[in-house]
Amino acid sequence: NAGVTQTPKFRILKIGQSMTLQCTQDMNHNYMYWYRQDPGMGLKLIYYSVGAGITDKGEVPNGYNVSRSTTEDFPLRLELAAPSQTSVYFCASNPQGYNSPLHFGNGTRLTVT
Amino acid sequence: AQTVTQSQPEMSVQEAETVTLSCTYDTSESDYYLFWYKQPPSRQMILVIRQEAYKQQNATENRFSVNFQKAAKSFSLKISDSQLGDAAMYFCAYRSPQGAQKLVFGQGTRLTINP
Repeated sequence: NAGVTQTPKFRILKIGQSMTLQCTQDMNHNYMYWYRQDPGMGLKLIYYSVGAGITDKGEVPNGYNVSRSTTEDFPLRLELAAPSQTSVYFCASNPQGYNSPLHFGNGTRLTVT
Repeated sequence: AQTVTQSQPEMSVQEAETVTLSCTYDTSESDYYLFWYKQPPSRQMILVIRQEAYKQQNATENRFSVNFQKAAKSFSLKISDSQLGDAAMYFCAYRSPQGAQKLVFGQGTRLTINP
């Protein structure tokens, strides 16, 4: 049981490049989330999904896209990377039920230069 | 929308002493969950303690306890007998039972333990 797995751990992008951050979980959780954490700050919600085929915007969705074709996978796509997207990105999952804590991946540190 | 505020960007404490981290939140809901997460330099998010809003008794986990004041919308974390391994960023978070049950985080408090 690997939990929530994020790849890559680190990435450097040039301005205008695109990339996909991968997130997969093996716990059959319905709910999945993408957060970003800027230096010295709390986590802000980018996108979330309550099940395969269902996604919705969070607090800071601009510049990102997601898809949820399977229960296990929830990739985050960055199009036309900008320096403002330099951050640490966390994927998390949860079974349906708000009394259970989120399971977090170990994060992806992204630098856009 | 719910908000969470941590008014102490940084705190420090001597090893073996007690420290309290503050958190306030704003919500119109009567039922919800509150969490404290620890983030060491490894950036892993580690659950420290959680509190259900409908439970009056304050949650306790070993050296960690909370002071939950529902009317005041306050949720502070007390760390007793501080240890060097407690040094980390601490985040307070709110979770609604509605919709996608998203976590809303505070800005964090960086805790330093002085030997």
